[in-house]
Amino acid sequence: GAGVSQSPSNKVTEKGKDVELRCDPISGHTALYWYRQSLGQGLEFLIYFQGNSAPDKSGLPSDRFSAERTGGSVSTLTIQRTQQEDSAVYLCASSLFAGMNTEAFFGQGTRLTVV
Amino acid sequence: AQSVTQLDSQVPVFEEAPVELRCNYSSSVSVYLFWYVQYPNQGLQLLLKYLSGSTLVKGINGFEAEFNKSQTSFHLRKPSVHISDTAEYFCAVTSPQQTGANNLFFGTGTRLTVIP
Repeated sequence: GAGVSQSPSNKVTEKGKDVELRCDPISGHTALYWYRQSLGQGLEFLIYFQGNSAPDKSGLPSDRFSAERTGGSVSTLTIQRTQQEDSAVYLCASSLFAGMNTEAFFGQGTRLTVV
Repeated sequence: AQSVTQLDSQVPVFEEAPVELRCNYSSSVSVYLFWYVQYPNQGLQLLLKYLSGSTLVKGINGFEAEFNKSQTSFHLRKPSVHISDTAEYFCAVTSPQQTGANNLFFGTGTRLTVIP
């Protein structure tokens, strides 16, 4: 596609439910990033995928969070047993190749509200 | 690993006045530097980037930034701001020598508010 696409754009869920957030990166981009942005806060790194390498999961806040990237393209971020503190905007970005002179392109984000 | 510090969380400025948003980075290796802008209820978009060459980088919407290696800074400037520049601005750093683990680090952001 023309840009990074995230779905849904908004998600309201009840506390304790599981949610899945989807990211479609730009075709051909090998690096994919997930960030979380809480209200009025900066960007919190969650997880990073680069090609077929093992993902860097060092930013995941708890074992309720997991992510996968199928076929080196689409990524899904899953939050199990959601809590109110999980409410935030979840941003996905992709880049052509990590570590080179390239920029990261961001999606519009998924606004998650846990009630 | 690299890190980025944006000293000012909020910067109010009157319309048509100049503005400087500060960014300092920490790295033991060579870096690429970026400024991203996030308008209300939107994703982040690239404003400008420094990869190599001239230390003065010009971006979109009249913004520019200067890479200062000795001061490890990459401050963003605009000589005359408009109401439409009201947004959140993020400085970011990566390294061409960093592969494998996450290599894109963001500052905490600076909220620029342009006052009519």
